[in-house]
Amino acid sequence: GDSVTQMEGPVTLSEEAFLTINCTYTATGYPSLFWYVQYPGEGLQLLLKATKADDKGSNKGFEATYRKETTSFHLEKGSVQVSDSAVYFCALSPNSGNTPLVFGKGTRLSVIA
Amino acid sequence: GAVVSQHPSWVICKSGTSVKIECRSLDFQATTMFWYRQFPKQSLMLMATSNEGSKATYEQGVEKDKFLINHASLTLSTLTVTSAHPEDSSFYICSATDYGYTFGSGTRLTVV
Repeated sequence: GDSVTQMEGPVTLSEEAFLTINCTYTATGYPSLFWYVQYPGEGLQLLLKATKADDKGSNKGFEATYRKETTSFHLEKGSVQVSDSAVYFCALSPNSGNTPLVFGKGTRLSVIA
Repeated sequence: GAVVSQHPSWVICKSGTSVKIECRSLDFQATTMFWYRQFPKQSLMLMATSNEGSKATYEQGVEKDKFLINHASLTLSTLTVTSAHPEDSSFYICSATDYGYTFGSGTRLTVV
């Protein structure tokens, strides 16, 4: 079945450091890919998404490119802030009707000043 | 944008009692909603898929008699944890689909 594998944390960075969180997927067909962010005690917020190969999703300085050849959707940010501290989830949608998202295990990011 | 309201955000109940969690799509109609459970520092575990006007589809290992799901309208799905026990304590999150997936803010359930 479909699956998502993302690097396990926790990841600790200093403010203004470069961030990469790796995400790879296994899917039949042509899934849509997502990054969600979860702040402590809250639900999930959509950070960015891409629906087809070579699409780049971006939001709030975060970027991820849908790479079909490497089945990857790595999350990057050039300069992290303390406020980016959260848990980040990579997910895919099989794009076959109203099916649930398939999530990775999440990566906890802590940014220190 | 699409908004999903989940209520309550936290609840404490005694063992043996039942608790109802509501999930509402505020500005769109959601024929399908999903219920997840999240253990501390873990990912989301899909519990069930809720379809308006029909019975929910439960994932393997989820007790349908303990976790009752009702999706009576296109904007409301409810999860009732019946005869709650301390091991049911968890963070429950709903999600509704329109042109994407929108999540509620979650419900922290503590059973004492």
